[in-house]
Amino acid sequence: DTEVTQTPKHLVMGMTNKKSLKCEQHMGHRAMYWYKQKAKKPPELMFVYSYEKLSINESVPSRFSPECPNSSLLNLHLHALQPEDSALYLCASRGSGNTIYFGEGSWLTVV
Amino acid sequence: GEDVEQSLFLSVREGDSSVINCTYTDSSSTYLYWYKQEPGAGLQLLTYIFSNMDMKQDQRLTVLLNKKDKHLSLRIADTQTGDSAIYFCAESIRGNTGKLIFGQGTTLQVKP
Repeated sequence: DTEVTQTPKHLVMGMTNKKSLKCEQHMGHRAMYWYKQKAKKPPELMFVYSYEKLSINESVPSRFSPECPNSSLLNLHLHALQPEDSALYLCASRGSGNTIYFGEGSWLTVV
Repeated sequence: GEDVEQSLFLSVREGDSSVINCTYTDSSSTYLYWYKQEPGAGLQLLTYIFSNMDMKQDQRLTVLLNKKDKHLSLRIADTQTGDSAIYFCAESIRGNTGKLIFGQGTTLQVKP
């Protein structure tokens, strides 16, 4: 099983809303990631969690707030987003041998 | 600095071999990856190679690594229409964090 599950698949939110993206893996991986992908561009790293602690924040605006409640779950809390934050948000986890698996992503539209 | 480059587009006929090329600049790269992304989907890990290897084969996929020239290629044998997608090359840098630097992606079009 190499599955990383992300919910919701699609999310439309207003600029004053608060919402969350969720990611789950049951492969026992201890490193998890959030990436952002704009249309026709490669993914760009946002955050890295290692052993449930935030290890890398790629200068992401504070309107994005990550959380790792346990080793299987990773959340991305969204608040006061801008229309330019509309993108595909990808979660990934890293296993043995440096294999890095991605989920199907959450398509976010900010209106 | 960290930079990964790929050609943007490749068109082949069904049944032919496809070769997608990638160059990278960071000599400290430890692992190099190939991902496939179909429209509306996430990234599917196809294969990866450790930097001390020069070749890896997995069914229809062959990865070649020329570390001296910092050149990576992905060969897909007997290309099928289902192989049409965007293919991303990525390098893992900065020790063991698993941060990936992606190329711009190569769109593979397979004509019947």
